[in-house]
Parts: sequence; C-alpha cells; structure tokens
Amino acid sequence: SYEVTQPPAVSVSPGQTASISCSADKLADKYSCWYQQRPGQSPVLVIYQDDKRPSGIPERFSGSKFGNTATLTISGTQALDEADYYCQAWDSTTVVFGGGTKLTVL
Amino acid sequence: QVQLVQSGAEVKKPGSSVKVSCKAPGGTFNSYAINWVRQAPGQGLEWMGRIIPLVAITKYAQKFQGRITIVADRPTSTAYMELSSLRSEDTAVYYCARDLYDYPTDYYYYGMDLWGQGTTVTVS
Repeated sequence: SYEVTQPPAVSVSPGQTASISCSADKLADKYSCWYQQRPGQSPVLVIYQDDKRPSGIPERFSGSKFGNTATLTISGTQALDEADYYCQAWDSTTVVFGGGTKLTVL
Repeated sequence: QVQLVQSGAEVKKPGSSVKVSCKAPGGTFNSYAINWVRQAPGQGLEWMGRIIPLVAITKYAQKFQGRITIVADRPTSTAYMELSSLRSEDTAVYYCARDLYDYPTDYYYYGMDLWGQGTTVTVS
C-alpha cells in the first residue's frame, strides 16, 4: 500500500519559521495538499496543488515540493498555529494521508 | 455560510451497519466530489472513499472494499456513506469533505476545501 511519511512532532518558537516535511514514493508525480486540524475541530485545507494557498489562509503558510518530498512552511509562527498538520498525496488512483505532525509553538 | 451538515452520533453493535449522511448546499453536486474520511480516537486521518455525483463515479480505499457504499442523491444534495460488518476498530469520527471536480479528466486536484462537522460512530 502507498505510504506518506511525516515527522510525528515539530517544535518552533513564536515568530520563527516552522517546516514540516512529507515524503512518499513518486510524490513528484502526484499533487500534495496540507491540512491543519486543531483539537476537536474538523480539518482545514491550507495548501493545495503543492504550493497554492486557498482564499482566507494567511500568507505565512506556504508549500513547496522537490522530488518526492513536499514541505509546509509557516513563517512567523503564531501560538494559534499550534495544531496537527496532515499531508495528503493525490492522483487519480491515490488518495492517502500522512500520519500527521503535531506542531508545538513554545 | 457554506457548510456540509452531517447526521448525528451513532452507537452500533459489532456486526451491524451504520449509514451517515452529509447534506451539501444546493448545486454542490454539479461541481464537487464528496469524500469520506475517518479519524479513530487519538489517530490520524484515513481516506475511505470518494463519489463524483456529476458522472456517477465512485472509488473506495482498498481497505474498505466490500464493506463500504457511498451514494449521492442529487435532488436533495445529500451524500451517504454506509459501512457494514462493524467492529470495534471502526469506532471513529467520520467526516465528509468536498473537492472541486476537474471535469472530465479528474486530473487537477484542488484539495478538500470544505469539511462537515464530523459524526461520531461508536461500535460497542
């Protein structure tokens, strides 16, 4: 089965830059998306098509992909960015989420 | 406010079935696919399946093949997910989420941009 790998946890200080990676076989040939999920809430899309930001998502959220690794970057991280982040790989035959990364802002 | 509204919490016995509904704003099914994603307690997101109502195409994760049925009723803009042969491991929050369908090739993907509030299913 297809697997998407993320680090379980990332820590960042307020105002600094947080980076969360996501790797998978042949991810270069698929789209990646990122979702933010705060405790007790439904997920929210923050990046789609590797590097596009939906309307309403702050500019401090950005995405990139090089080869089989996608990265979510949060610049000037704020306390309210503390959440779980999920990477998702997609093509017409594959819809798989990574295991999630808990971002701690401390 | 645009939203997907899901049915209420369910408690089921092992071996039984559950059917969860997801009501979308009118017209949604003309442009969007509906996905079902679940999240077990303390665990990550797990994609279960997707339906494209416009072209009546359904795709299921291999893990759920044979146990899951997703249908969409276009007149009422309501999607349903039925999971059978329930076991304790199916205890989870079940979400519906839409994604914009790239007609007709389904090549471009725009992500799941709107999610329902979640439906808790407890199998016990």
